[in-house]
Amino acid sequence: SQQGEEDPQALSIQEGENATMNCSYKTSINNLQWYRQNSGRGLVHLILIRSNEREKHSGRLRVTLDTSKKSSSLLITASRAADTASYFCATGVHAGGTSYGKLTFGQGTILTVHP
Amino acid sequence: DAGVTQSPTHLIKTRGQQVTLRCSPKSGHDTVSWYQQALGQGPQFIFQYYEEEERQRGNFPDRFSGHQFPNYSSELNVNALLLGDSALYLCASSLDRVTTRIINEQFFGPGTRLTVL
Repeated sequence: SQQGEEDPQALSIQEGENATMNCSYKTSINNLQWYRQNSGRGLVHLILIRSNEREKHSGRLRVTLDTSKKSSSLLITASRAADTASYFCATGVHAGGTSYGKLTFGQGTILTVHP
Repeated sequence: DAGVTQSPTHLIKTRGQQVTLRCSPKSGHDTVSWYQQALGQGPQFIFQYYEEEERQRGNFPDRFSGHQFPNYSSELNVNALLLGDSALYLCASSLDRVTTRIINEQFFGPGTRLTVL
């Protein structure tokens, strides 16, 4: 079963614009990770944010985490055509050590950046 | 530094057959997880191997089995293939920090595209 839900399901923007994707989840988590996937290929790890962190930056990426609302957002600034991909959030649960390692993914957001 | 590698890239099988997929983790990693990704869906956790044992399992039938070798590489076996097993199978590796139980970044391989006819 899917833990997270990404919103929107699809996003179409022009190069140079910012892209914001949201992720909601249901259970308490230890960390949340964002991945990118190009055309049904392997997942590329973008950023990991732990449950005690509220915001994290990596290059043009900014991730926020609100554990009270069980939600996260991924902001890509100054988007490029090469950012066109599917983006997934994945949650990791630390439930007494029995669920560590397992990632639960959402359905993903398809981002299209037009040149 | 080699990343996660998987073989084969593509595979076509018929219903009822058996298949073995292979994964070599990123250098220095000791934990391998397998995921199934159906078209248009997010990956779903199949199981995870650590110290050559299955440590955790998702909601998949016993037709799905695996193995981890002393060099940390892993195999995923699927018996009695069904049409619904057609998917991209992803392997992810990570470094387990057992004492602190911290979940670390998982690095994914390019996947094996399995088609069952």
